[in-house]
Formats: sequence, C-alpha cells, structure tokens
Amino acid sequence: AQRVTQPEKLLSVFKGAPVELKCNYSYSGSPELFWYVQYSRQRLQLLLRHISRESIKGFTADLNKGETSFHLKKPFAQEEDSAMYYCALMEGAQKLVFGQGTRLTINP
Amino acid sequence: DTEVTQTPKHLVMGMTNKKSLKCEQHMGHRAMYWYKQKAKKPPELMFVYSYEKLSINESVPSRFSPECPNSSLLNLHLHALQPEDSALYLCASSQGIKDRGYTFGSGTRLTVV
Repeated sequence: AQRVTQPEKLLSVFKGAPVELKCNYSYSGSPELFWYVQYSRQRLQLLLRHISRESIKGFTADLNKGETSFHLKKPFAQEEDSAMYYCALMEGAQKLVFGQGTRLTINP
Repeated sequence: DTEVTQTPKHLVMGMTNKKSLKCEQHMGHRAMYWYKQKAKKPPELMFVYSYEKLSINESVPSRFSPECPNSSLLNLHLHALQPEDSALYLCASSQGIKDRGYTFGSGTRLTVV
C-alpha cells in the first residue's frame, strides 16, 4: 500500500531558527507529492506541489527519490508559521492520501 | 470565485434523523471529493466524483449517500448515523489533473447524539 510517513507529531522551534518537517513516502510509481497547511481555525490549504519547485512563504520542499523523502524546509521560522502541516501523496489521478501531520509551534 | 463553500458549518443530529451536507464550487473543477476528519487525525477520503459520476467509494457505510446533481454541487446525505460518525466533513475539488492538488472547503462539523 502507498504510504506517507511524518515521523514527528509535534515540532517546536524558536523564531528565526531553521525548520525542517520530515516526510517519507512509499509509492510504486512516479509520486506526486504535496504539502498542505492548516492554520488555527482556517481551512486546509495547499502550500507546495513538488512538481512546481516553488517557494511559498519561504518554504521549499525537494523530492529525493533515492531517500523517498519530501521534507519541508524554511531557513528562518516566523511565529505565523505555527500550524498543522500535512504531507500528501496522490495515488493514481484522484486519491490524495495524507500523512499523520506535524504540529509546528514557533516560540517567540 | 476560488473557494469551495460548505453548508452548514455545524450540524447536530440524532441517530434517527436524516440530514444533508452541501458543497459548492464555481472554479470549473471537474472532480469533487468528500473527506472525513476526526480530531487530531488527517483527512480520510470517502468519495470521489469525476465529471459528475462516482468514481471512488472507499468502502463507506451506506448510511452515507453522496450525490452530485451537477458539476458545481456535491451533497452528502446522512441517515441513521452513529455517534462515532461525529467528525469534520470536508469537501474538496480539483481540476482532476494529478499534479494540481485540491481546494478544500472549511468543513461541516457534525455531531451525532
């Protein structure tokens, strides 16, 4: 079965420190991977798509097929980055499967 | 319009009630989805509609009945639910292209009493 693993349920860093949220996947084909974010009292929203190789709100994520990883990184954390982050994998064309999520807390 | 709108935002229903959740999008997306999210858990897929036809049912109990009246609307009809069905029900839509991701609604928080 295809799987998405986020090993850290909780991650706490200080403002200005680097952030890395880990995501590993298992998928037999060519994976389509995403990061979604859910801020407090807001809807789940798309943060990054691996295929676009973009930087959103200072976050980047690189697909490493050798390590089957898609870690989310930001060099300098901001307090407004505190949220729930989900790594997700597209199975086939229509089924988006989520990891368990990592709750990121940025301390002032 | 770049949003998925869900109504109602909150719903309390008894185990013998029949109710419906509604979802609407006007982005021209051809695929629509229902997800269930329990507290402190990730969303879990329930149903997928593609071009108004049901394409995926993730073995969801028949007390949940989806309906897609047209390309902009998605309903979830609820009947004889159990307290363990209490959850946040999320609707999403997408262009149906694998690498584009989904747009999610804010959800309906359902409590079954």
